Amino acid sequence: DSGVTQTPKHLITATGQRVTLRCSPRSGDLSVYWYQQSLDQGLQFLIQYYNGEERAKGNILERFSAQQFPDLHSELNLSSLELGDSALYFCASSARDRGTGNEQFFGPGTRLTVL
Amino acid sequence: AQKITQTQPGMFVQEKEAVTLDCTYDTSDQSYGLFWYKQPSSGEMIFLIYQGSYDEQNATEGRYSLNFQKARKSANLVISASQLGDSAMYFCAMRGPSGNTGFQKLVFGTGTRLLVSP
Repeated sequence: DSGVTQTPKHLITATGQRVTLRCSPRSGDLSVYWYQQSLDQGLQFLIQYYNGEERAKGNILERFSAQQFPDLHSELNLSSLELGDSALYFCASSARDRGTGNEQFFGPGTRLTVL
Repeated sequence: AQKITQTQPGMFVQEKEAVTLDCTYDTSDQSYGLFWYKQPSSGEMIFLIYQGSYDEQNATEGRYSLNFQKARKSANLVISASQLGDSAMYFCAMRGPSGNTGFQKLVFGTGTRLLVSP
């Protein structure tokens, strides 16, 4: 158990809908990262937050947005869903926003299926 | 741009034997970090081992060791005394320069599926 929690574990929805994925980082970790794992794209970095502020953006679509709240939990919002958004979405956390080591620990993931 | 290459889509090993999973990387940065993660069929990503580009010694964590050859830009994972529970996907990943928040993302390879047989 990495200490990172994600809810829900599974999510099935229809095209055009909007969903929210939730992540709670390990106790004491200030950085949260979101990754998407799909069959055709592999594991891709989406976005990073540190102590409530956006730090880095990767291949995140404009239909997707995220935020980190004062209690450090984070939410990833996916809207106008398409079939291709079906994937496993991971949240990871680390203690700092930079530096050597600073290993990222992953949550169990949310498997999103868009029908 | 940083790139991770894992050329072995699948590997087979017998229980109790050692296995090496290959990983090569490409970067123009002097400072970087290399990671290995394990993904069992249940889906979670489990951190295994980390090697910093300036670390002189190869990293070891229990049965896992990282064979770091900087000149060859390789970071192979060695699993000693394989166990049935080691059957999983293994991902090599790289993180960019420390000190720059824009490079904290991990870039992953395509993974190697390891099957351990009795």
